Amino acid sequence: AQSVTQLGSHVSVSEGALVLLRCNYSSSVPPYLFWYVQYPNQGLQLLLKYTSAATLVKGINGFEAEFKKSETSFHLTKPSAHMSDAAEYFCAVTTSQGAQKLVFGQGTRLTINP
Amino acid sequence: SAVISQKPSRDICQRGTSLTIQCQVDSQVTMMFWYRQQPGQSLTLIATANQGSEATYESGFVIDKFPISRPNLTFSTLTVSNMSPEDSSIYLCSVERGSTNGYTFGSGTRLTVV
Repeated sequence: AQSVTQLGSHVSVSEGALVLLRCNYSSSVPPYLFWYVQYPNQGLQLLLKYTSAATLVKGINGFEAEFKKSETSFHLTKPSAHMSDAAEYFCAVTTSQGAQKLVFGQGTRLTINP
Repeated sequence: SAVISQKPSRDICQRGTSLTIQCQVDSQVTMMFWYRQQPGQSLTLIATANQGSEATYESGFVIDKFPISRPNLTFSTLTVSNMSPEDSSIYLCSVERGSTNGYTFGSGTRLTVV
């Protein structure tokens, strides 16, 4: 079975500062990893995904994430935060085997300070 | 990626009643997933729905409470039965087009039970 742990339920950064949202996974088989963003009162939007190709994945809105197998991590970063980045971010894992259901982390609420 | 139409977008229901949520996809998909997002929480998978077979429910969810239909490859419904205030959540449907392509989510149904 797979699981995801997001460290920090709430992260606050200043506008223009580095954004780092942490995600660690557990999987007995090679994982597929995703980051989703949820703006207030909206559905989920895919930011980026790792599916066993390049370990450094670039997504939308300037976000990127690096898959590190040795650390079982898939942290999300953005060099310079913008006010519009304020949202809830979810890391999720699935695999190519079995039921292929998506398992979510607890979510991290990102606040941007002016 | 797939386009999902989910309705209703929100509803306020009396306890003891039932609500059926519809999810329409713009192309044929094998598996559809139903998630619940309780207030301030992450997404929890309710069940996986394959066309032509019974839905597979996750631990803690039962068919009597959350009956699901999957009459064809583009449509599914989730019913929340005999509702109580604890059922107040956002319910989302999701589809996958091969796990390497990511999962697309509907915009969600925001349910309030009074």
